[in-house]
Amino acid sequence: GEDVEQSLFLSVREGDSSVINCTYTDSSSTYLYWYKQEPGAGLQLLTYIFSNMDMKQDQRLTVLLNKKDKHLSLRIADTQTGDSAIYFCAEMGNTDKLIFGTGTRLQVFP
Amino acid sequence: DAGVIQSPRHEVTEMGQEVTLRCKPISGHNSLFWYRQTMMRGLELLIYFNNNVPIDDSGMPEDRFSAKMPNASFSTLKIQPSEPRDSAVYFCASSNERGADTQYFGPGTRLTVL
Repeated sequence: GEDVEQSLFLSVREGDSSVINCTYTDSSSTYLYWYKQEPGAGLQLLTYIFSNMDMKQDQRLTVLLNKKDKHLSLRIADTQTGDSAIYFCAEMGNTDKLIFGTGTRLQVFP
Repeated sequence: DAGVIQSPRHEVTEMGQEVTLRCKPISGHNSLFWYRQTMMRGLELLIYFNNNVPIDDSGMPEDRFSAKMPNASFSTLKIQPSEPRDSAVYFCASSNERGADTQYFGPGTRLTVL
């Protein structure tokens, strides 16, 4: 079945760039998403990319998609302490169901 | 728009009791999703509705779990009887259409079953 994998933890210094990686198995994925979850809160959509795109930039966020390798990444430029959260990668194939990864906990230290 | 509204935000109950979680989706959204989040299993889709009709309930753990959507603005997730292993955060999400608009999540209900 479909599977989405992420590394569990990432620690970066404030001001550096963060890169969170994700791999997926569903070759029919049409959209891929990045969600952010802050402590005690629900998931907030950060950005998404359509499967026929290679890159999408939105302010400090850059999403790169390598469809051949089924690899998605989220780069956060100039990472701030407020970026500390869990980041979920998700993919949607031919159904309305989102398949989420395990989440990557990003910790930003001064 | 107030976003997806869930109630209660926190629920503590004893094993064997019935628990009802409530969700009000964003007005105009025609799909509604119930998720469960635990440390061990991450985020799991339990069931989703489209135009108030259950489309896929394959994620519902067992018969103790049931979900209803009597109208476009309200859904419930019921656990009867509850067990300690049901302790988790339950999220409701809604969406307007497939793809780009994706799903908007509520703040979640943290359920603790003692």
